[in-house]
Amino acid sequence: GAVVSQHPSWVICKSGTSVKIECRSLDFQATTMFWYRQFPKQSLMLMATSNEGSKATYEQGVEKDKFLINHASLTLSTLTVTSAHPEDSSFYICSAGQGLNTEAFFGQGTRLTVV
Amino acid sequence: AQSVTQPDIHITVSEGASLELRCNYSYGATPYLFWYVQSPGQGLQLLLKYFSGDTLVQGIKGFEAEFKRSQSSFNLRKPSVHWSDAAEYFCAVSGTSGTYKYIFGTGTRLKVLA
Repeated sequence: GAVVSQHPSWVICKSGTSVKIECRSLDFQATTMFWYRQFPKQSLMLMATSNEGSKATYEQGVEKDKFLINHASLTLSTLTVTSAHPEDSSFYICSAGQGLNTEAFFGQGTRLTVV
Repeated sequence: AQSVTQPDIHITVSEGASLELRCNYSYGATPYLFWYVQSPGQGLQLLLKYFSGDTLVQGIKGFEAEFKRSQSSFNLRKPSVHWSDAAEYFCAVSGTSGTYKYIFGTGTRLKVLA
């Protein structure tokens, strides 16, 4: 199956700094990628849809100026958490799909801890 | 509104016992349906999926699920649970034909007693 890779797997940053998370489709091209957030012991909530070559589409309640998404190529989407605060600590996971009648492929996830 | 409901937040079963995890969905049309498992601190692993056809689908690790259109349900079952099955289980739906945006249920945490 297709592979989606995230980097880094975990990151610790200081409050007020920014952190970038990468999501790559390794063996296929993805015009659309998705970013989810999972707080501890909770479900995955869609944050935004990343669109190659255009602006991301954010879900209601997600601050687009805080969670910057860039999808500059068909194999890479990045999520930058700007001015991170402890409440942004979460598990971030991306996904992408290819073709018809297939499931989405998820990255391994990135655990962000803001101290 | 589109949603996925997993009524059981926690389930505890004894090793060797049977298991059924419930999932109900609300969606405009029949969606694609999925079950994922997540171990602590880990990513998602796909257990099985339903797109069309036979409403009883087989997955990995001995799991199966049955799609019931009339009940908008997609319950996950396993005849004999192993201690290694302890994890969080998520039911999810997406639109069909290349729509990869998922809606996840709230999850069911499975505990297995030795």
